[in-house]
Amino acid sequence: QKEVEQNSGPLSVPEGAIASLNCTYSDRGSQSFFWYRQYSGKSPELIMSIYSNGDKEDGRFTAQLNKASQYVSLLIRDSQPSDSATYLCAATGGYQKVTFGTGTKLQVIP
Amino acid sequence: DTGVSQDPRHKITKRGQNVTFRCDPISEHNRLYWYRQTLGQGPEFLTYFQNEAQLEKSRLLSDRFSAERPKGSFSTLEIQRTEQGDSAMYLCASSLVERRGETQYFGPGTRLLVL
Repeated sequence: QKEVEQNSGPLSVPEGAIASLNCTYSDRGSQSFFWYRQYSGKSPELIMSIYSNGDKEDGRFTAQLNKASQYVSLLIRDSQPSDSATYLCAATGGYQKVTFGTGTKLQVIP
Repeated sequence: DTGVSQDPRHKITKRGQNVTFRCDPISEHNRLYWYRQTLGQGPEFLTYFQNEAQLEKSRLLSDRFSAERPKGSFSTLEIQRTEQGDSAMYLCASSLVERRGETQYFGPGTRLLVL
């Protein structure tokens, strides 16, 4: 069974620090990877996508992909209390349906 | 607003009643997914459509659940004889599938409470 695994947390970081969220996946055929942010009681919101090995930066967010090790990470620089949410990792490849992890809860402490 | 809409946003029903939810995807998207999510958990896959064809249905889904996507546009999810354990957020997502995969965009969800 294709799986995406994340540490459920909570991950607590002080305001202004770098938050590092990690995700591993089992299907080597996966080609596309996504990070979603979900605030309590709301639906997931796409924040980053990454398709190639290496880093992809968007504002305070950096996604990192290592296909050889089958992991994806999300770094949030200068963490703010408003970043406190659950972060979902997802993977897909070819015409296979998307698989989600269970999410990591991030708490940014003021 | 992602362009995916769901209706209703909230539904309270009594155990044993039937409920139906609707999802309107982004118009050019060919895939539509239904998920269920309970507190502290990630989205649990229920079923998905490519155009009007239902390609997969979760083995965890009981026969009380049925989904349709007539004409490959909007979709409905019906739960018959609701149980208290059906209380959850029901999420719809749509995507345009391409060779390297797809990017899903979620609707706001329908929160169901079964009393």
